[in-house]
Amino acid sequence: EMQLVESGGRLVQPGGSLRLSCTGSGFRFDEYAIHWVRQTPGGGLEWVSVISWDSRGIYYAESVRGRFTISRDNAKNSLFLQMDSLRPEDTALYYCVKDICPLPNPNCYLHFWGRGTLVSVSS
Amino acid sequence: SFVLTQPPSVSVAPGQTAAISCGGDRFRLKSVHWTQHKPGQAPVAVLYDDTDRPPGIPERFSGSKSDNTATLTISAVAAGDEADYYCHIWDSNTGHMVFGGGTKLTVL
Repeated sequence: EMQLVESGGRLVQPGGSLRLSCTGSGFRFDEYAIHWVRQTPGGGLEWVSVISWDSRGIYYAESVRGRFTISRDNAKNSLFLQMDSLRPEDTALYYCVKDICPLPNPNCYLHFWGRGTLVSVSS
Repeated sequence: SFVLTQPPSVSVAPGQTAAISCGGDRFRLKSVHWTQHKPGQAPVAVLYDDTDRPPGIPERFSGSKSDNTATLTISAVAAGDEADYYCHIWDSNTGHMVFGGGTKLTVL
């Protein structure tokens, strides 16, 4: 059975840092691109970042570029999101999402989602 | 940047057909995907590449696309279809994924 399990979310003060993790199982983790997508308190989905299977293709949303860093360790079936200089507007439920392809591509889609980890940024 | 526009809500009676639209420019050159999100659950892909269904998605879910609008159609709607539905694309020009604002489907 395919699984993605996120962890690391918690309450943090503005300006602080947080490292999210995602562990995959039930599929060949090293063959697929993996995304971070967040659901804001307003309810909408917002794409955050993606990393290709080999870590050579990395992309960020403009709202997090320069503050967040995505990485992966295929040997440990793990994905990470280092979040620095956190802002209240980063408050969201963060999902780890497997792509159907090894590289992000217009014809590829978000194949399988984890259940998310909650990040709250507040003083 | 690319913008996808969805109606905030759509309501339909059980057994009827729901059509959820997603507006954008130059759609002819884009592949549109759809994700279903029920409260408290992980989101689920219901359509990809405008019209294709992932394994396990019933034939009641179908898609279409014109130059400026993509449409998710759900026939014989049931209470279990109540959810938020999001269209999204991968914009190769910017290296960004873009989501529509989401449409809340209510089954009356």
